[in-house]
Amino acid sequence: NAGVMQNPRHLVRRRGQEARLRCSPMKGHSHVYWYRQLPEEGLKFMVYLQKENIIDESGMPKERFSAEFPKEGPSILRIQQVVRGDSAAYFCASSPPAGTNEKLFFGSGTQLSVL
Amino acid sequence: DQQVKQNSPSLSVQEGRISILNCDYTNSMFDYFLWYKKYPAEGPTFLISISSIKDKNEDGRFTVFLNKSAKHLSLHIVPSQPGDSAVYFCAAENNRDDKIIFGKGTRLHILP
Repeated sequence: NAGVMQNPRHLVRRRGQEARLRCSPMKGHSHVYWYRQLPEEGLKFMVYLQKENIIDESGMPKERFSAEFPKEGPSILRIQQVVRGDSAAYFCASSPPAGTNEKLFFGSGTQLSVL
Repeated sequence: DQQVKQNSPSLSVQEGRISILNCDYTNSMFDYFLWYKKYPAEGPTFLISISSIKDKNEDGRFTVFLNKSAKHLSLHIVPSQPGDSAVYFCAAENNRDDKIIFGKGTRLHILP
């Protein structure tokens, strides 16, 4: 099953540490999206990337958060100096080339817990 | 500012009856709408979609209706089954920027 792979599934960090979340898109998909789901909230758009290019980062907090999607390797969502409010489920999705109905294929998410 | 709104956080429906999940949107530039289903500890999975040029799309037990003038869409599931118990997210896309915006979700409970 070559679906969207996210790791780790669960990540525990202490306040002030860094969190790195990884996402490998489905084979043949060149676009990656990151979404965050806070408790009792919906999926909130964070960033949309193509290989080596950030297309839209309008949903990213201005500080401490960054994302990349290098030419080789997975997409990385990096959160520096984590705070308790960063605790959430982070979902990555990849999208196929234009022309399909499904638009987004999601990974199983990374549950980040900040102690 | 929420562009996609699901005003019912939860809904309980008897097995075998019809489940109707509602969604409203504010951005008239949205031209494609999707429903995703999510089980606990899993990522959302695509269910059904509809283009703004249509007012209805049907796939088995699932039908999505779109009322553009009211900026409203709904998902009908009939007959409802126990495996339909999940969180359902309404989503909308503006083709100009390829960004898909999600609502907060509605938790559907199918009662035996």
